[in-house]
Amino acid sequence: DTGVSQDPRHKITKRGQNVTFRCDPISEHNRLYWYRQTLGQGPEFLTYFQNEAQLEKSRLLSDRFSAERPKGSFSTLEIQRTEQGDSAMYLCASSLLPGATGGSLINTEAFFGQGTRLTVV
Amino acid sequence: AQSVTQLDSHVSVSEGTPVLLRCNYSSSYSPSLFWYVQHPNKGLQLLLKYTSAATLVKGINGFEAEFKKSETSFHLTKPSAHMSDAAEYFCVVSEGREKLTFGTGTRLTIIP
Repeated sequence: DTGVSQDPRHKITKRGQNVTFRCDPISEHNRLYWYRQTLGQGPEFLTYFQNEAQLEKSRLLSDRFSAERPKGSFSTLEIQRTEQGDSAMYLCASSLLPGATGGSLINTEAFFGQGTRLTVV
Repeated sequence: AQSVTQLDSHVSVSEGTPVLLRCNYSSSYSPSLFWYVQHPNKGLQLLLKYTSAATLVKGINGFEAEFKKSETSFHLTKPSAHMSDAAEYFCVVSEGREKLTFGTGTRLTIIP
């Protein structure tokens, strides 16, 4: 399977504990995104990387969240001192770089993993 | 700044009748637009994308969408609904190098 893979698929943790999730993108993809989705809502942007550089981090993201993408391959998302409000599905996606068409930059579609469901008790 | 508005949070249609899921976007530049589908307990799957080529875009499973710049819309349609179409649908916008921004979703229910 050459799709985006996330590990673990499910995580239950006690409030106050730290958790780390891993995402392995499609191998030739330069961009990697992290989103968070709660029940009944659309995916909410957290952060994204282009190769190893973190290009943007959501202003909604507290300092307890950190993400890395060493060597521009896999990525990790760490949540420190988890809170019950962190319970959600964490989605990873990857894509190729935007390409130029007719003078405009055209973004490419992102391919999503199955997600990591976090439950904080 | 880019954004999308999905005008209906829930749509119900009878099997065999047409489907219309509405999406309006806001973008300062020529956007890329996508529709994704999410079946229960499944990952997000791309249905179709618009990237400044033909304004009528055909996707998988008989879905299509039309980009209308004058109306800033990108509505998703299907001529005949099937039970397997029941899912959550997300309209997504991206301009230039920007990240993907999702709408709040439309839940499609198919009545037998």
